[in-house]
Amino acid sequence: QQQVKQSPQSLIVQKGGISIINCAYENTAFDYFPWYQQFPGKGPALLIAIRPDVSEKKEGRFTISFNKSAKQFSLHIMDSQPGDSATYFCAAGTLNTGGFKTIFGAGTRLFVKA
Amino acid sequence: DSGVTQTPKHLITATGQRVTLRCSPRSGDLSVYWYQQSLDQGLQFLIQYYNGEERAKGNILERFSAQQFPDLHSELNLSSLELGDSALYFCASSVAPGSTYEQYFGPGTRLTVT
Repeated sequence: QQQVKQSPQSLIVQKGGISIINCAYENTAFDYFPWYQQFPGKGPALLIAIRPDVSEKKEGRFTISFNKSAKQFSLHIMDSQPGDSATYFCAAGTLNTGGFKTIFGAGTRLFVKA
Repeated sequence: DSGVTQTPKHLITATGQRVTLRCSPRSGDLSVYWYQQSLDQGLQFLIQYYNGEERAKGNILERFSAQQFPDLHSELNLSSLELGDSALYFCASSVAPGSTYEQYFGPGTRLTVT
């Protein structure tokens, strides 16, 4: 119930293409769905996040699509660039009795070919 | 640079030993989170503190403990270390618990248990 399942494990995309990463969750108590980007040797950094009352959120080249009934959400990276090559983690968070827990997906290694 | 500092950057120790990892949150942030990142378990939430109080617990082993001090820095203590404890340990901070407040991750401490 606490799991967040992420796919694919790795992804190779041509420069200028669209990168799509998918996640699914079970626990309907989750009320926050962030995506993190992590470069080698660095900590994760928040990329974009969505709440369950919104079906889509766009920030620049990054878009989250959220399907509450299917309990799925995805990250789309438009016009993918070599600089986007990194590991991407989806996550789901919930605030409960003053504490905030975040459960992460297993991660997707994205490589954008120049 | 996220503004979160972690020391040490690398730590090599033997099985059975005890280590302490230190985290200084961003200026103004009252909430601190600890995460473990390993190849087989991925990124896992361990524990969260807010203004000195424990607020949420994740998959933290009984051999591990943490605290947040009055100056808001936090320490994660790992004892009776096992080979499987080798991982990257990240600290993150936010103004307060909850999805409204972005978590900023530090650069991590790489722990190697031999």
